[in-house]
Amino acid sequence: IAGITQAPTSQILAAGRRMTLRCTQDMRHNAMYWYRQDLGLGLRLIHYSNTAGTTGKGEVPDGYSVSRANTDDFPLTLASAVPSQTSVYFCASSVEAAGGNTGELFFGEGSRLTVL
Amino acid sequence: GQNIDQPTEMTATEGAIVQINCTYQTSGFNGLFWYQQHAGEAPTFLSYNVLDGLEEKGRFSSFLSRSKGYSYLLLKELQMKDSASYLCAPMDSNYQLIWGAGTKLIIKP
Repeated sequence: IAGITQAPTSQILAAGRRMTLRCTQDMRHNAMYWYRQDLGLGLRLIHYSNTAGTTGKGEVPDGYSVSRANTDDFPLTLASAVPSQTSVYFCASSVEAAGGNTGELFFGEGSRLTVL
Repeated sequence: GQNIDQPTEMTATEGAIVQINCTYQTSGFNGLFWYQQHAGEAPTFLSYNVLDGLEEKGRFSSFLSRSKGYSYLLLKELQMKDSASYLCAPMDSNYQLIWGAGTKLIIKP
């Protein structure tokens, strides 16, 4: 099924542990994004990648890292998880990052992470 | 700073019409998006406005006034499945989406 896939869908993690959230898309989209969504707040951009091999920091990048080795995959790593990173994480992609693009984002189903 | 303001929650009756307002302040502007998000699910694209005026798409319409920093989403002939959160997201000068917290729409029979 074409689209964007995230794993795991849900995870409980002890504080201090390392965790990688996986994201894969098969739409050949150039741009990919990681957002977190917390109750009462809008989606907040963590990191983004305009094209394979490049990444950039979003609004709330601290404590997170990403890599974009190829077009399809965009993993998000929490090096040492803290309770404030408890959230729902959404990976998204778009055809292009900016200019000449409607900007429509396609989202994965989300990864619910709880850090204790 | 950048700011998005939309009502937290609205209630409407099945078959009726509802208008969800959004006011925004962004650093530059490259269009405004509306997304729908059902509880526990991912957001899905509804509409995009870059010029002033009304864009109609079936039961949903979206309006934009750039000079007023204002948009609304109009939903007609409401159905129970329209119960969801509606997210307003203008795009700033860096082509990044700035997301509002969303309006939770409750549809009653």
